[in-house]
Amino acid sequence: AQRVTQPEKLLSVFKGAPVELKCNYSYSGSPELFWYVQYSRQRLQLLLRHISRESIKGFTADLNKGETSFHLKKPFAQEEDSAMYYCALSFSGNTGKLIFGQGTTLQVKP
Amino acid sequence: DTEVTQTPKHLVMGMTNKKSLKCEQHMGHRAMYWYKQKAKKPPELMFVYSYEKLSINESVPSRFSPECPNSSLLNLHLHALQPEDSALYLCASSHNLGGAYEQYFGPGTRLTVT
Repeated sequence: AQRVTQPEKLLSVFKGAPVELKCNYSYSGSPELFWYVQYSRQRLQLLLRHISRESIKGFTADLNKGETSFHLKKPFAQEEDSAMYYCALSFSGNTGKLIFGQGTTLQVKP
Repeated sequence: DTEVTQTPKHLVMGMTNKKSLKCEQHMGHRAMYWYKQKAKKPPELMFVYSYEKLSINESVPSRFSPECPNSSLLNLHLHALQPEDSALYLCASSHNLGGAYEQYFGPGTRLTVT
């Protein structure tokens, strides 16, 4: 079955420290992977997706098919990065289904 | 206009009431979605519409009835809900179906069933 696993419920770091939010997926086909972010009292929004290979707000994520991972990284965390982060998997084919991981709350302390 | 809007923001209803949630987008997107989100949990897909036709129903109870009257509007009709249906209901849209297309989310309607 298709599944997305985010092993950490909460990740707490100090400002300026590196951040890595882990995401592993289970899917036998070609995955489309995304990171969505939900800041406090704001709507869920796309942070980045693997097909674009962009760096958004200093975050990057690389799809590792061998390890079935799509970890989100940032070299120097900022306080404004504090939010809930969801890794999400979309099926190949035109179903429109997004499977979300359980989410990781990132807390960046001053 | 690059936003998905949802009304109302908050809704309190009794178990015998009938109410509707509304979602609107003017981005020309042809796929629209309803999700349910409980506190501190990820969104769970309920329904997917593509070109105003129901594409996916994730085994949602019949007390939830979606409707897509046109390409910009998506409604969710509620009837005889249970207290466990209390949640944040999110609407989303995308240019089309498929993993290449970003889903844009609305702010949600916070529903409380008493």
